[in-house]
Amino acid sequence: AQSVTQPDIHITVSEGASLELRCNYSYGATPYLFWYVQSPGQGLQLLLKYFSGDTLVQGIKGFEAEFKRSQSSFNLRKPSVHWSDAAEYFCAVGSIQGAQKLVFGQGTRLTINP
Amino acid sequence: DVKVTQSSRYLVKRTGEKVFLECVQDMDHENMFWYRQDPGLGLRLIYFSYDVKMKEKGDIPEGYSVSREKKERFSLILESASTNQTSMYLCAIRGGPGNTEAFFGQGTRLTVV
Repeated sequence: AQSVTQPDIHITVSEGASLELRCNYSYGATPYLFWYVQSPGQGLQLLLKYFSGDTLVQGIKGFEAEFKRSQSSFNLRKPSVHWSDAAEYFCAVGSIQGAQKLVFGQGTRLTINP
Repeated sequence: DVKVTQSSRYLVKRTGEKVFLECVQDMDHENMFWYRQDPGLGLRLIYFSYDVKMKEKGDIPEGYSVSREKKERFSLILESASTNQTSMYLCAIRGGPGNTEAFFGQGTRLTVV
Protein backbone atom coordinates (compact mmCIF):
# COMPACT_ATOMS: atom_id res chain seq x y z
CA ALA A 1 0.00 0.00 0.00
CA GLN A 2 1.22 3.48 -0.75
CA SER A 3 1.71 6.04 2.01
CA VAL A 4 3.29 9.43 2.62
CA THR A 5 4.85 10.89 5.74
CA GLN A 6 5.55 14.56 6.27
CA PRO A 7 7.48 14.63 9.56
CA ASP A 8 7.08 18.35 10.22
CA ILE A 9 3.57 19.52 11.12
CA HIS A 10 4.56 23.19 11.41
CA ILE A 11 7.66 25.10 10.30
CA THR A 12 8.50 28.75 10.85
CA VAL A 13 11.14 30.54 8.80
CA SER A 14 12.13 34.15 8.34
CA GLU A 15 11.41 35.95 5.13
CA GLY A 16 14.38 35.59 2.79
CA ALA A 17 15.62 32.41 4.46
CA SER A 18 15.89 29.09 2.67
CA LEU A 19 13.26 26.40 3.10
CA GLU A 20 13.19 22.62 2.99
CA LEU A 21 10.02 20.60 3.62
CA ARG A 22 10.46 16.90 4.08
CA CYS A 23 8.46 14.11 2.46
CA ASN A 24 8.98 10.36 2.71
CA TYR A 25 6.90 7.88 0.77
CA SER A 26 6.24 4.18 0.68
CA TYR A 27 5.44 2.50 -2.61
CA GLY A 28 6.46 -0.75 -4.28
CA ALA A 29 7.84 0.79 -7.45
CA THR A 30 8.88 4.19 -8.75
CA PRO A 31 5.89 6.33 -7.99
CA TYR A 32 4.44 9.53 -9.28
CA LEU A 33 5.22 12.24 -6.70
CA PHE A 34 3.60 15.62 -6.21
CA TRP A 35 3.73 18.70 -4.06
CA TYR A 36 0.59 20.80 -3.62
CA VAL A 37 0.10 24.08 -1.80
CA GLN A 38 -3.05 25.33 -0.10
CA SER A 39 -3.19 28.99 0.82
CA PRO A 40 -5.65 30.02 3.56
CA GLY A 41 -9.21 29.68 2.30
CA GLN A 42 -8.07 28.46 -1.10
CA GLY A 43 -8.11 25.19 -2.98
CA LEU A 44 -5.09 22.99 -3.64
CA GLN A 45 -2.66 24.08 -6.32
CA LEU A 46 0.00 21.88 -7.91
CA LEU A 47 3.54 23.13 -7.30
CA LEU A 48 5.46 20.41 -9.11
CA LYS A 49 5.48 16.75 -10.02
CA TYR A 50 7.93 13.94 -10.69
CA PHE A 51 7.37 10.96 -12.97
CA SER A 52 10.79 9.93 -14.24
CA GLY A 53 14.05 11.30 -15.60
CA ASP A 54 15.93 14.12 -13.94
CA THR A 55 15.54 13.73 -10.19
CA LEU A 56 15.57 17.47 -9.58
CA VAL A 57 12.31 19.01 -10.73
CA GLN A 58 11.40 22.65 -10.96
CA GLY A 59 7.98 23.98 -10.15
CA ILE A 60 6.06 27.19 -9.96
CA LYS A 61 6.78 30.09 -7.57
CA GLY A 62 10.51 29.26 -7.42
CA PHE A 63 10.09 25.85 -5.76
CA GLU A 64 12.06 22.74 -6.59
CA ALA A 65 12.08 19.17 -5.30
CA GLU A 66 14.56 16.34 -5.42
CA PHE A 67 13.63 12.67 -5.75
CA LYS A 68 15.99 10.36 -3.86
CA ARG A 69 15.11 6.73 -4.46
CA SER A 70 17.59 5.40 -1.87
CA GLN A 71 15.94 7.48 0.86
CA SER A 72 12.36 7.22 -0.45
CA SER A 73 12.22 10.98 -0.20
CA PHE A 74 10.92 13.88 -2.24
CA ASN A 75 11.83 17.03 -0.32
CA LEU A 76 10.63 20.46 -1.39
CA ARG A 77 13.03 23.42 -1.36
CA LYS A 78 13.06 27.12 -1.99
CA PRO A 79 16.22 29.27 -1.76
CA SER A 80 14.51 32.38 -0.40
CA VAL A 81 10.95 32.45 0.94
CA HIS A 82 8.50 35.31 0.57
CA TRP A 83 5.70 36.25 2.97
CA SER A 84 3.22 35.03 0.35
CA ASP A 85 4.60 31.48 0.69
CA ALA A 86 2.83 31.11 4.04
CA ALA A 87 0.46 28.21 3.42
CA GLU A 88 0.02 24.49 3.97
CA TYR A 89 2.04 22.14 1.81
CA PHE A 90 1.07 18.60 0.94
CA CYS A 91 3.18 15.83 -0.55
CA ALA A 92 1.37 13.08 -2.45
CA VAL A 93 2.20 9.75 -4.07
CA GLY A 94 0.29 8.34 -7.02
CA SER A 95 0.02 4.86 -8.48
CA ILE A 96 1.61 4.24 -11.84
CA GLN A 97 -0.38 1.09 -12.55
CA GLY A 98 -3.99 0.13 -12.25
CA ALA A 99 -6.41 2.44 -10.54
CA GLN A 100 -4.88 5.88 -10.28
CA LYS A 101 -5.03 6.16 -6.50
CA LEU A 102 -3.50 9.31 -5.00
CA VAL A 103 -2.50 9.41 -1.32
CA PHE A 104 -1.49 12.54 0.61
CA GLY A 105 0.65 13.23 3.61
CA GLN A 106 -0.45 15.02 6.75
CA GLY A 107 0.68 18.39 5.49
CA THR A 108 3.22 20.95 6.74
CA ARG A 109 2.01 24.39 7.76
CA LEU A 110 4.54 27.08 6.88
CA THR A 111 4.66 30.35 8.80
CA ILE A 112 6.85 33.23 7.61
CA ASN A 113 8.34 35.69 10.10
CA PRO A 114 8.83 39.21 8.74
CA ASP B 1 -9.64 25.67 -17.47
CA VAL B 2 -10.40 22.51 -15.57
CA LYS B 3 -13.62 22.62 -13.62
CA VAL B 4 -14.34 20.44 -10.63
CA THR B 5 -17.53 21.69 -9.08
CA GLN B 6 -18.80 20.71 -5.65
CA SER B 7 -22.45 21.39 -5.09
CA SER B 8 -22.11 23.33 -1.82
CA ARG B 9 -19.37 25.37 -0.14
CA TYR B 10 -21.00 25.20 3.28
CA LEU B 11 -23.50 22.71 4.66
CA VAL B 12 -25.05 22.27 8.09
CA LYS B 13 -26.87 19.02 8.84
CA ARG B 14 -28.36 17.34 11.87
CA THR B 15 -27.12 14.13 13.44
CA GLY B 16 -28.74 11.13 11.81
CA GLU B 17 -29.58 12.86 8.54
CA LYS B 18 -28.62 11.31 5.20
CA VAL B 19 -26.26 13.70 3.45
CA PHE B 20 -25.32 13.88 -0.21
CA LEU B 21 -22.23 15.70 -1.44
CA GLU B 22 -22.03 16.07 -5.20
CA CYS B 23 -19.02 16.56 -7.44
CA VAL B 24 -19.14 17.24 -11.17
CA GLN B 25 -16.21 17.47 -13.58
CA ASP B 26 -15.90 18.79 -17.11
CA MET B 27 -12.67 17.01 -18.09
CA ASP B 28 -13.86 13.50 -18.96
CA HIS B 29 -11.32 12.05 -16.51
CA GLU B 30 -11.67 8.42 -15.46
CA ASN B 31 -10.66 8.81 -11.83
CA MET B 32 -12.56 10.71 -9.17
CA PHE B 33 -11.78 10.92 -5.45
CA TRP B 34 -13.34 12.02 -2.20
CA TYR B 35 -11.05 13.19 0.62
CA ARG B 36 -11.70 14.71 3.98
CA GLN B 37 -9.32 17.31 5.33
CA ASP B 38 -8.82 17.79 9.07
CA PRO B 39 -6.16 19.90 10.82
CA GLY B 40 -3.03 17.88 11.50
CA LEU B 41 -4.33 14.86 9.58
CA GLY B 42 -3.93 16.14 6.03
CA LEU B 43 -6.10 14.76 3.26
CA ARG B 44 -7.42 11.30 3.94
CA LEU B 45 -8.87 9.27 1.11
CA ILE B 46 -12.44 8.12 1.70
CA TYR B 47 -13.33 6.49 -1.61
CA PHE B 48 -12.29 6.71 -5.21
CA SER B 49 -13.76 5.63 -8.51
CA TYR B 50 -11.83 4.64 -11.60
CA ASP B 51 -14.78 4.18 -13.94
CA VAL B 52 -18.55 4.46 -14.03
CA LYS B 53 -20.07 2.21 -11.36
CA MET B 54 -16.57 1.18 -10.20
CA LYS B 55 -15.28 2.19 -6.79
CA GLU B 56 -12.65 1.32 -4.24
CA LYS B 57 -12.40 2.05 -0.56
CA GLY B 58 -9.80 4.46 0.58
CA ASP B 59 -8.27 4.68 4.03
CA ILE B 60 -11.36 5.83 5.96
CA PRO B 61 -14.52 4.52 4.25
CA GLU B 62 -16.51 3.76 7.42
CA GLY B 63 -19.75 5.71 7.59
CA TYR B 64 -19.60 6.71 3.93
CA SER B 65 -20.72 5.34 0.60
CA VAL B 66 -20.36 6.61 -2.96
CA SER B 67 -22.18 6.55 -6.25
CA ARG B 68 -20.96 7.04 -9.79
CA GLU B 69 -23.72 6.50 -12.30
CA LYS B 70 -22.28 8.88 -14.91
CA LYS B 71 -18.66 9.57 -15.73
CA GLU B 72 -18.83 13.24 -14.85
CA ARG B 73 -20.53 12.91 -11.46
CA PHE B 74 -19.30 11.35 -8.22
CA SER B 75 -21.43 11.51 -5.09
CA LEU B 76 -20.40 11.00 -1.49
CA ILE B 77 -23.15 9.80 0.83
CA LEU B 78 -23.18 9.97 4.59
CA GLU B 79 -25.80 7.39 5.46
CA SER B 80 -26.43 8.73 8.97
CA ALA B 81 -24.42 11.84 9.70
CA SER B 82 -22.55 12.04 12.98
CA THR B 83 -20.72 14.91 14.64
CA ASN B 84 -17.34 13.26 13.99
CA GLN B 85 -18.01 13.67 10.29
CA THR B 86 -17.82 17.43 10.62
CA SER B 87 -14.99 18.26 8.26
CA MET B 88 -13.88 19.78 4.96
CA TYR B 89 -14.62 17.44 2.05
CA LEU B 90 -12.62 17.71 -1.15
CA CYS B 91 -13.39 16.15 -4.50
CA ALA B 92 -10.56 15.54 -6.97
CA ILE B 93 -10.21 14.18 -10.49
CA ARG B 94 -7.31 12.54 -12.23
CA GLY B 95 -6.81 11.22 -15.74
CA GLY B 96 -5.61 7.81 -16.77
CA PRO B 97 -1.96 6.66 -17.04
CA GLY B 98 0.26 9.42 -18.40
CA ASN B 99 -2.19 12.11 -17.40
CA THR B 100 -1.62 12.05 -13.69
CA GLU B 101 -2.07 15.50 -12.21
CA ALA B 102 -5.04 15.79 -9.87
CA PHE B 103 -7.42 18.73 -9.92
CA PHE B 104 -9.48 19.70 -6.92
CA GLY B 105 -12.80 21.27 -6.23
CA GLN B 106 -13.11 24.16 -3.79
CA GLY B 107 -14.33 21.92 -1.00
CA THR B 108 -17.48 21.56 1.08
CA ARG B 109 -17.32 22.53 4.73
CA LEU B 110 -19.80 20.19 6.42
CA THR B 111 -20.94 20.78 9.98
CA VAL B 112 -23.02 18.12 11.69
CA VAL B 113 -24.88 19.38 14.75
